[in-house]
Amino acid sequence: DAKTTQPPSMDCAEGRAANLPCNHSTISGNEYVYWYRQIHSQGPQYIIHGLKNNETNEMASLIITEDRKSSTLILPHATLRDTAVYYCIVRVEAAGNKLTFGGGTRVLVKP
Amino acid sequence: DTAVSQTPKYLVTQMGNDKSIKCEQNLGHDTMYWYKQDSKKFLKIMFSYNNKELIINETVPNRFSPKSPDKAHLNLHINSLELGDSAVYFCASSQMPGAETQYFGPGTRLLVL
Repeated sequence: DAKTTQPPSMDCAEGRAANLPCNHSTISGNEYVYWYRQIHSQGPQYIIHGLKNNETNEMASLIITEDRKSSTLILPHATLRDTAVYYCIVRVEAAGNKLTFGGGTRVLVKP
Repeated sequence: DTAVSQTPKYLVTQMGNDKSIKCEQNLGHDTMYWYKQDSKKFLKIMFSYNNKELIINETVPNRFSPKSPDKAHLNLHINSLELGDSAVYFCASSQMPGAETQYFGPGTRLLVL
């Protein structure tokens, strides 16, 4: 699975959009980009995933660059409850393939 | 209703003891996982079972033995506990191996004294 690089931490103002970058320059053509988050003392929570098209769901939007070497997770209106560690993961969707979590980005949403 | 549940939530024990952590999922999923999150907060997969059969076995000491009595349950037994086993252990499930979404339990915080 390709390695990802994320900033270790970032702050965001409540009510504003939070843009979380992720670099995955060695991503393969069949590897998806996943985002999970872990709120303090809880298990990780799936947010969104995509292959090459931009994706949106009720939690967030995922923007993947045309060359697929980087992506951005957008939380459109950050709330205090969005304070968490956000993990960007790339992997092939196949049996036996695992989610490999890196260090993630620690996002602090401030009032 | 809790989708993935783990017991106990906290476990404090002495070095050398044997302990078990239980996991149950009511999502009807075929695949279950055990992850370990150490003090540095890195989350690593340990095992994965699909329909009661082991499909992922990372480099984990053989003191750790997973058991899946049915596809809704995946328990983790740890023999001869060591200080380095102190961590948070998360159970997860997915509809099938390699499925896009894994659902995680709340974690079991193990402290070995």
